[in-house]
Amino acid sequence: DVKVTQSSRYLVKRTGEKVFLECVQDMDHENMFWYRQDPGLGLRLIYFSYDVKMKEKGDIPEGYSVSREKKERFSLILESASTNQTSMYLCASSYSSGTTSYTDTQYFGPGTRLTVL
Amino acid sequence: KNQVEQSPQSLIILEGKNCTLQCNYTVSPFSNLRWYKQDTGRGPVSLTIMTFSENTKSNGRYTATLDADTKQSSLHITASQLSDSASYICVVSPRTTSGTYKYIFGTGTRLKVLA
Repeated sequence: DVKVTQSSRYLVKRTGEKVFLECVQDMDHENMFWYRQDPGLGLRLIYFSYDVKMKEKGDIPEGYSVSREKKERFSLILESASTNQTSMYLCASSYSSGTTSYTDTQYFGPGTRLTVL
Repeated sequence: KNQVEQSPQSLIILEGKNCTLQCNYTVSPFSNLRWYKQDTGRGPVSLTIMTFSENTKSNGRYTATLDADTKQSSLHITASQLSDSASYICVVSPRTTSGTYKYIFGTGTRLKVLA
């Protein structure tokens, strides 16, 4: 079974703090993704990575950065947390099969509920 | 603008009954459509995926249909169980030439199954 784990289920931080969210997958997947999920808005892509040290911006990258130093680990960084970044953060990974890679199933972690006070 | 709309927003049914959830999309050109189940406080789990050439796909008591002409999909749940209580999310991907990943998520239908 594919397993995607996230470092924390719940996190409370203060405005201005630097926040690290960690994601680890154990299936040797090339692709990894970070989303945030807010009520009424659905999942929105923050960043994704298709290889080690490679990253691309998603739809809402402002205020976030990412790091992928190892294939199995993808970190989301909030450089200076703000209250509007209070949200559920979901990490996902998927296998890349080449030209048809967009059909590959994403496997999601359990999510981190971040509250910024 | 690429959009995915789901209806109804929420649904309550009795255990053992069937139900159908709807997904309409304006994504073009279309590549594939997925349905996910998300239990409260958990990450989404894939139920089905269909490309433009497929018009039905089953996974146990879940059956997804796709009409690429009308840009509509439905998820039918047969003989519902209490464990079916969850949010169901429709996700559509456009066809891209660059290989860049794009997943457009609907806001989900929240299903509650009562005993």
